[in-house]
Amino acid sequence: GQNIDQPTEMTATEGAIVQINCTYQTSGFNGLFWYQQHAGEAPTFLSYNVLDGLEEKGRFSSFLSRSKGYSYLLLKELQMKDSASYLCAVRAGYGNNRLAFGKGNQVVVIP
Amino acid sequence: DTEVTQTPKHLVMGMTNKKSLKCEQHMGHRAMYWYKQKAKKPPELMFVYSYEKLSINESVPSRFSPECPNSSLLNLHLHALQPEDSALYLCASSQDSGGANVLTFGAGSRLTVL
Repeated sequence: GQNIDQPTEMTATEGAIVQINCTYQTSGFNGLFWYQQHAGEAPTFLSYNVLDGLEEKGRFSSFLSRSKGYSYLLLKELQMKDSASYLCAVRAGYGNNRLAFGKGNQVVVIP
Repeated sequence: DTEVTQTPKHLVMGMTNKKSLKCEQHMGHRAMYWYKQKAKKPPELMFVYSYEKLSINESVPSRFSPECPNSSLLNLHLHALQPEDSALYLCASSQDSGGANVLTFGAGSRLTVL
């Protein structure tokens, strides 16, 4: 099975930088994804890491350390629309289709 | 078309009713998924279809019955549900090939069982 852990909630100011952590324990690791989910809406894909290191995509960056079972998502220049839940998801095990989500981290951006 | 469309958006049903949730995508994706999401919880995988064949069933009770009529459509048939089955049901699709195989989610069907 998989064990994915994320802190639950954080508040940050517009324009600030926030880091959201995710730790996981799994066998057969095959990629880690970050999704954003606004309340009542579908999760939307943000980033994907399968090798160690940093992936940068605009204001969002994601880092992976496979040896530590650890990832973080960095959100820069926070905007009000970034208020959402951020879900870390791990793909592991047989095949390419079993994606398990962590509890998610609620980010609230304040003016 | 880069969307996954789910209908209905909202569904209220009694425990003796039979209803279906529908999902459609026209991105040429060959894998389709059903996830269940309770309030303030992460999505939980229920079923995966790969090339129109059921490839993953996460020990879901038989009162939930998936169906994949063709590569663009995915249904979830509901029968004799319990109030605790009330949740947001998310459909997703992906290419089901090498690389990232990113899931694209629909907006969900919010189900209330009375």
